[in-house]
Amino acid sequence: DAGVIQSPRHEVTEMGQEVTLRCKPISGHNSLFWYRQTMMRGLELLIYFNNNVPIDDSGMPEDRFSAKMPNASFSTLKIQPSEPRDSAVYFCASSADYLPGELFFGEGSRLTVL
Amino acid sequence: AQKITQTQPGMFVQEKEAVTLDCTYDTSDPSYGLFWYKQPSSGEMIFLIYQGSYDQQNATEGRYSLNFQKARKSANLVISASQLGDSAMYFCAMREGADSSYKLIFGSGTRLLVRP
Repeated sequence: DAGVIQSPRHEVTEMGQEVTLRCKPISGHNSLFWYRQTMMRGLELLIYFNNNVPIDDSGMPEDRFSAKMPNASFSTLKIQPSEPRDSAVYFCASSADYLPGELFFGEGSRLTVL
Repeated sequence: AQKITQTQPGMFVQEKEAVTLDCTYDTSDPSYGLFWYKQPSSGEMIFLIYQGSYDQQNATEGRYSLNFQKARKSANLVISASQLGDSAMYFCAMREGADSSYKLIFGSGTRLLVRP
């Protein structure tokens, strides 16, 4: 079975550019999570969706960040405009209500903003 | 206040020996779940073990066991017979509540190095 698929795996961009990260959750999972990992702040939950509806976006740093989930098999995390402090690994994870909360993580998207 | 606390930034263990990674948590919700994840140097997050707050027995998964002490609010991970491949970051995480919002909050992690 395919796991959570994220793209791109690596992204290097310049400050001010728009960045779009993509995620395909595991088929049948109805919750999707976006996490950011940095050395300084560890793993932070940015936003999560349940049945395609955003449930909690309190972790989204600021208005430059936005996330969408137009259908059950696709989500995007967009940063516009990007800044060097946004450099991090961004993980997407999915889970199913019938599981005891286990999250299945993608391999992450490493973003570097110069 | 920290919800999940991992007080050991780094630990060493000799190959084939057992090691305990500490985790304490803070919640007032009677229903919660506790998780451990492994993150090797390649970066992926690997689920290891889960303990529910109402589970009567400590969870075990192969060489991993969770020492769940509810009154002390601790959920330590025990790895028996350490292997070189166990060298990684280990994260403790908690999910509060019994509804469908399975949000996990992670601790800061413990880096484990297994010595040959």
